Amino acid sequence: RKEVEQDPGPFNVPEGATVAFNCTYSNSASQSFFWYRQDCRKEPKLLMSVYSSGNEDGRFTAQLNRASQYISLLIRDSKLSDSATYLCVVNGPDTGNQFYFGTGTSLTVIP
Amino acid sequence: DAGVIQSPRHEVTEMGQEVTLRCKPISGHDYLFWYRQTMMRGLELLIYFNNNVPIDDSGMPEDRFSAKMPNASFSTLKIQPSEPRDSAVYFCASSLGVKGPYEQYFGPGTRLTVT
Repeated sequence: RKEVEQDPGPFNVPEGATVAFNCTYSNSASQSFFWYRQDCRKEPKLLMSVYSSGNEDGRFTAQLNRASQYISLLIRDSKLSDSATYLCVVNGPDTGNQFYFGTGTSLTVIP
Repeated sequence: DAGVIQSPRHEVTEMGQEVTLRCKPISGHDYLFWYRQTMMRGLELLIYFNNNVPIDDSGMPEDRFSAKMPNASFSTLKIQPSEPRDSAVYFCASSLGVKGPYEQYFGPGTRLTVT
């Protein structure tokens, strides 16, 4: 079983739409959670960390559900510039301090 | 800071040749990671170092792959001999830590094609 699983999509949404991605993780002892963004043919970059209480950064909201072992990313009022692949990342001492990346969810925002 | 620097950006080589990828982490970062990304398998951790010491190399595919970090500002990933299935984008990343919400900073990657 993979450490981190994501729906690969693709998600094709119109500008202004709200879109949500989910990601599940297998190790209940995981402690740190992140969403990274990767543009085509570029390197991954941190979008936001995910905190237990949930956190928001502008149009982006991240949530953590430890009981069900999933994290989510909500994007409101989608912009064309949001088109990218979104990677879910999990790590913690019990995962050998490794960062486990999901395979990514592809988002295309359509004019 | 210039960020994580990788070279070369592109490498095309023939099967059986030796390939060496290079990485310079961000100054002050104690952790350095090597990843491989393919469409089929996504981003896979190959090996990571802490203070120049390899901590976990369980992701290294086989003996053809080796990685070194002779000092805090330089690391290499070597493939010898290379095979077509090694074709992928290889990323180097560095971070201040791993226990907690530490961001990983990625280099631009090396796109390797083995023919």
